[in-house]
Amino acid sequence: ETAVFQTPNYHVTQVGNEVSFNCKQTLGHDTMYWYKQDSKKLLKIMFSYNNKQLIVNETVPRRFSPQSSDKAHLNLRIKSVEPEDSAVYLCASRPDWGGYEQYFGPGTRLTVL
Amino acid sequence: QQKVQQSPESLTVSEGAMASLNCTFSDGTSNNFRWYRQHSAKGLEVLVSIFSDGEKEEGRFTAHLNRANLHVSLHIREPQPSDSAVYLCAVSPTGNYKYVFGAGTRLKVIA
Repeated sequence: ETAVFQTPNYHVTQVGNEVSFNCKQTLGHDTMYWYKQDSKKLLKIMFSYNNKQLIVNETVPRRFSPQSSDKAHLNLRIKSVEPEDSAVYLCASRPDWGGYEQYFGPGTRLTVL
Repeated sequence: QQKVQQSPESLTVSEGAMASLNCTFSDGTSNNFRWYRQHSAKGLEVLVSIFSDGEKEEGRFTAHLNRANLHVSLHIREPQPSDSAVYLCAVSPTGNYKYVFGAGTRLKVIA
């Protein structure tokens, strides 16, 4: 199956803990993204990776860091979560050829208590 | 900085009636416009992309772009209850990977 996969589906944790979210795409795409979706359904780009090189960083807090082992994987680590980090995190990918289509995963819902 | 606004915030239509959603943006040099749909249990689904003024149809979904008026709309022909979801407008500046999203329109289609 070719798609964008994210794990876990949801995660509940406490302030100060470290969390990691995984994303894998089997579409053969070259660029992957992490977005944060807030309660108003606004998507804000956090990171973009093209062939393991960070090309866009929307000045997110330093406790967030992307981790990539190859162009099919892009994980997101939050070193010490804070209440405002509660959101849905969406991973997406797109090919370098063709148009500007982005393919999204189902998201990971993070709740920080 | 690009601003994207959607209206209405929520919309209820009867099955089979046309549903129309609006999106305005602030940067007239943008050249990539996209409508997404998000079901509560799924990821985002791309419905239609449009790059030039005029109309673009993808099945029952039609996007209209008028860059002079800073406006792009989405029309859903013969909506069904399964089309109930949040619809997101996204705008990308020229030559940029980043899409700026609106806050969404929650569509409810009643049988």
